[in-house]
Amino acid sequence: GAVVSQHPSWVICKSGTSVKIECRSLDFQATTMFWYRQFPKQSLMLMATSNEGSKATYEQGVEKDKFLINHASLTLSTLTVTSAHPEDSSFYICSAPADRVRGDTQYFGPGTRLTVL
Amino acid sequence: GQQVMQIPQYQHVQEGEDFTTYCNSSTTLSNIQWYKQRPGGHPVFLIQLVKSGEVKKQKRLTFQFGEAKKNSSLHITATQTTDVGTYFCAGTRGSQGNLIFGKGTKLSVKP
Repeated sequence: GAVVSQHPSWVICKSGTSVKIECRSLDFQATTMFWYRQFPKQSLMLMATSNEGSKATYEQGVEKDKFLINHASLTLSTLTVTSAHPEDSSFYICSAPADRVRGDTQYFGPGTRLTVL
Repeated sequence: GQQVMQIPQYQHVQEGEDFTTYCNSSTTLSNIQWYKQRPGGHPVFLIQLVKSGEVKKQKRLTFQFGEAKKNSSLHITATQTTDVGTYFCAGTRGSQGNLIFGKGTKLSVKP
């Protein structure tokens, strides 16, 4: 079945640094990928929709200059948390539909745990 | 590694019939969440269950969390065409545990 990977699985960084998270579709092409964030004990929240070859679409309240998204190929989307601060510590997860034409189900990556000190 | 198994993968029902999807975890979960994804859309949060044996209802939807906190179910009574979509469960282990998704159950409803 379709597989989505994320790298790294966890990262600890100092406040003020930038962190890049990769989301890859391993055995299918994804023109669209979704990025989510989950704070402890809360539900998943959609941050942005990543579109291959065009600008990402951000949800209301998500700073596009802080969370840079690049979808440079049909199998890779990256999320860069710029000038990270402790409040950015969260679990970041991506997903991609395996079959865009049929609007098929989402396949989720394993997530990235970010801790900002 | 830790997994959340969800069955069935697909379910086709006649409008008015009931529908149930099940999630099972190999380990005890601290909580379980349910999401619905409409065709072409992204998953939308439905509910979170935390307590052992918890049952919650949202109109025609009934969510249950098992006594051992290893399994959960979502039951829809008298399905409607608006119920079409994929239903995901997602569990966490521990207070800071990562959210682990089941593969989803895709529901189609024939009018």
